[in-house]
Amino acid sequence: RKEVEQDPGPFNVPEGATVAFNCTYSNSASQSFFWYRQDCRKEPKLLMSVYSSGNEDGRFTAQLNRASQYISLLIRDSKLSDSATYLCVVRGDYKLSFGAGTTVTVRA
Amino acid sequence: DAMVIQNPRYQVTQFGKPVTLSCSQTLNHNVMYWYQQKSSQAPKLLFHYYDKDFNNEADTPDNFQSRRPNTSFCFLDIRSPGLGDAAMYLCATSRELAGADTQYFGPGTRLTVL
Repeated sequence: RKEVEQDPGPFNVPEGATVAFNCTYSNSASQSFFWYRQDCRKEPKLLMSVYSSGNEDGRFTAQLNRASQYISLLIRDSKLSDSATYLCVVRGDYKLSFGAGTTVTVRA
Repeated sequence: DAMVIQNPRYQVTQFGKPVTLSCSQTLNHNVMYWYQQKSSQAPKLLFHYYDKDFNNEADTPDNFQSRRPNTSFCFLDIRSPGLGDAAMYLCATSRELAGADTQYFGPGTRLTVL
């Protein structure tokens, strides 16, 4: 079983729509959680950390459910520039484990 | 200004011909990582250095080696590249290993093996 699993998508949404997707992780001892964004053929960049109480950063909302071991990301009022692959990332004791990513395509 | 720099950005090598990828950082971070990312897959950690201490992941092939001559530089050596080693190689740094410390990624080197 993979450490971090994500629905690969793609999620094709119109501008202005809301899109949400989850990931699950296998290690219940995981300490920290993140969403990274990766554009085509570019490096991953930190989008936001995910806190136990849930957190927002502008149009992005992240939630963590430790009991069920899943993390979610919701994007409101989607922009064309939100088109990317979103990587779910979980930190264990010393390293990050990445999901393979969920691809989101926002169309005009 | 770029904080994690990788050279070259694109590397073409022949099957079996050794190749070295370079990473440098201006952040003075203690930890440097090398990841391999194949198309539509998650980045896979190959190894990391905490200062001069080298830590190899258990499933990293012996074909991959690394050197960190000083805080700023880290190299990835592929001794005998195979066709399956074609991938994006990402270097990353972090201040420390533990906690919610952020990793900063370089732009990657895309390796093609002919």
